[in-house]
Amino acid sequence: EAGVTQFPSHSVIEKGQTVTLRCDPISGHDNLYWYRRVMGKEIKFLLHFVKESKQDESGMPNNRFLAERTGGTYSTLKVQPAELEDSGVYFCASTKVGTEAFFGQGTRLTVV
Amino acid sequence: EDQVTQSPEALRLQEGESSSLNCSYTVSGLRGLFWYRQDPGKGPEFLFTLYSAGEEKEKERLKATLTKKESFLHITAPKPEDSATYLCAVRPGSSNTGKLIFGQGTTLQVKP
Repeated sequence: EAGVTQFPSHSVIEKGQTVTLRCDPISGHDNLYWYRRVMGKEIKFLLHFVKESKQDESGMPNNRFLAERTGGTYSTLKVQPAELEDSGVYFCASTKVGTEAFFGQGTRLTVV
Repeated sequence: EDQVTQSPEALRLQEGESSSLNCSYTVSGLRGLFWYRQDPGKGPEFLFTLYSAGEEKEKERLKATLTKKESFLHITAPKPEDSATYLCAVRPGSSNTGKLIFGQGTTLQVKP
């Protein structure tokens, strides 16, 4: 069974540019989460999808971040325009109802 | 406010030297405490879930225990391949989304 896959592994962009991160969850997992780890801090929740619907966006930093989940399958997280403080590692996780979360390898985003 | 604190931040052990990692938590209704292992450049890898005080889980050289205020990850006779960052996370009962609240992690180094 394939795990959670994230693209790209690394991204270096200039301040003001746009970046789109992608997450392919485990097949059959309706729940999809985005998390972020900023350097020196703990991993923090960003948002939660159930199928294609956003259940909780309480962790999204601001309106420069836009997440979508097309047809309840893969998800994208777009940052536009990127700021220096957006640098960090972005993780995606998927679960079945009430079970443990399986994480992808993360996307390391560096904004210069 | 839901919070997770892990200690120590870093731990160096000699191969075979047993020790314990601590995870203290305050949460509004616990719906699970999770231990993950994270290797450099990779996503968190699931180890254990604990749900109620007194519960214990074991896997190879690792044993996780839970009380009403904290969890311990006991490492018995560690080997160099146990070197990693160990993350503790809780799933608050106040949230119906299943999101996780993470601690900052304990980075374990086991020297041969």
